[in-house]
Amino acid sequence: DQQVKQNSPSLSVQEGRISILNCDYTNSMFDYFLWYKKYPAEGPTFLISISSIKDKNEDGRFTVFLNKSAKHLSLHIVPSQPGDSAVYFCAAKAGNNRKLIWGLGTSLAVNP
Amino acid sequence: SAVISQKPSRDICQRGTSLTIQCQVDSQVTMMFWYRQQPGQSLTLIATANQGSEATYESGFVIDKFPISRPNLTFSTLTVSNMSPEDSSIYLCSVLGLADQETQYFGPGTRLLVL
Repeated sequence: DQQVKQNSPSLSVQEGRISILNCDYTNSMFDYFLWYKKYPAEGPTFLISISSIKDKNEDGRFTVFLNKSAKHLSLHIVPSQPGDSAVYFCAAKAGNNRKLIWGLGTSLAVNP
Repeated sequence: SAVISQKPSRDICQRGTSLTIQCQVDSQVTMMFWYRQQPGQSLTLIATANQGSEATYESGFVIDKFPISRPNLTFSTLTVSNMSPEDSSIYLCSVLGLADQETQYFGPGTRLLVL
């Protein structure tokens, strides 16, 4: 059973516009969430994270929003740039076992 | 974050052979993680390797198939043994952040194709 779900396998956005990537989770014990970006033939690169005690975290063009009641988080990229084209993974962890639980990823294409 | 390198970056192997992947970190780290990403799939944790102790394997992964060495605090190897085409994956080494122990950082990966 997929505890972290990224229901959109792909997303296409125009350069300069906002990209919104969504992630849903089922385990209410998750207390820390991370977003990674992955280019082909490279390892994942950490982007931004959020603790469950917060509902928003911002770093430059990247903002993550957490809605605990809906068990939903989203990553906003604004403005989107062609270099943002990559696969974005949502991951979460819970409790004493701090193992990362991963979503299946969303492939973002930012068109010039 | 620590700088992580992996060797080889890619390889093509024949079924039945074994390949050892090396992971080098520029800082001393207690825990190192080995993942794989099969085509079209997400990342799957194979095992956690602590220096001075046996690696801890996740469900579905066994030491005979994926032996791991962790001789010191900056280095680890993962061997993919008796390979089959189903082992074709990207294999990734990962460590926790030095200042931020909640974040994992990844090496560039080893792209393995088994024929």
